[in-house]
Amino acid sequence: QITLKESGPTLVKPTQTLTLTCTFSGFSLSSSGVTVGWIRQPPGEALEWLALIYWNGDERYSPSLKTRLTITKDTSTNQVVLTMTNMDPVDTATYYCAHTPTVPGPFDIWGQGTMVTVSS
Amino acid sequence: DIQMTQSPSSLSASVGDRVTITCRASQSINRYLNWYQQKPGKAPKLLIYPASTLQSGVPSRFSGSGSGRDFTLSISSLQPEDFATYYCQQSYSTPYTFGQGTKLEIK
Repeated sequence: QITLKESGPTLVKPTQTLTLTCTFSGFSLSSSGVTVGWIRQPPGEALEWLALIYWNGDERYSPSLKTRLTITKDTSTNQVVLTMTNMDPVDTATYYCAHTPTVPGPFDIWGQGTMVTVSS
Repeated sequence: DIQMTQSPSSLSASVGDRVTITCRASQSINRYLNWYQQKPGKAPKLLIYPASTLQSGVPSRFSGSGSGRDFTLSISSLQPEDFATYYCQQSYSTPYTFGQGTKLEIK
């Protein structure tokens, strides 16, 4: 059974760096074709794709946020970490991590999401 | 980026109705189109990929079709649990963009 769970701060101040961790089980991020991605959703708004890390370590980012995002993986601890620099109140959102079993493919399993508020 | 446009943005329907939601990509995405259902306070749930394959456990009243730029999600006979927001997403090229969502409400 595949599960993913996001963790990190619920409140960050403007200009700070956000670090979110996705801890997963039930699959290996070393297996060919597997990816883990991050998606966010501001309150009452649509889903926004942020970043993806592949089984081989390749990374892809949203062009509009590329300069602020870094995605990394640790296969020994089954974790994927997303960092977002220079946080702004418009970055207030629920952040999800999700699994893709094959590339290209859908996000078939999602974490429960973690709400992050950016406020001074 | 490939832009995904859903229509309508919102839809009112009754239990038992058949409804169709459309999704148009700004360029051809072959059949790399996924559909998700999201209920308030919950993570999205995968319904259909790519374009027409039903995810395991999804009721057969859901169906998807299309290729190239134009896609549809249909629900043949609405059930109370189907009232939710539906999103399309392309997985043809990164960034794997989502549509703006279609909120399906009870009439």
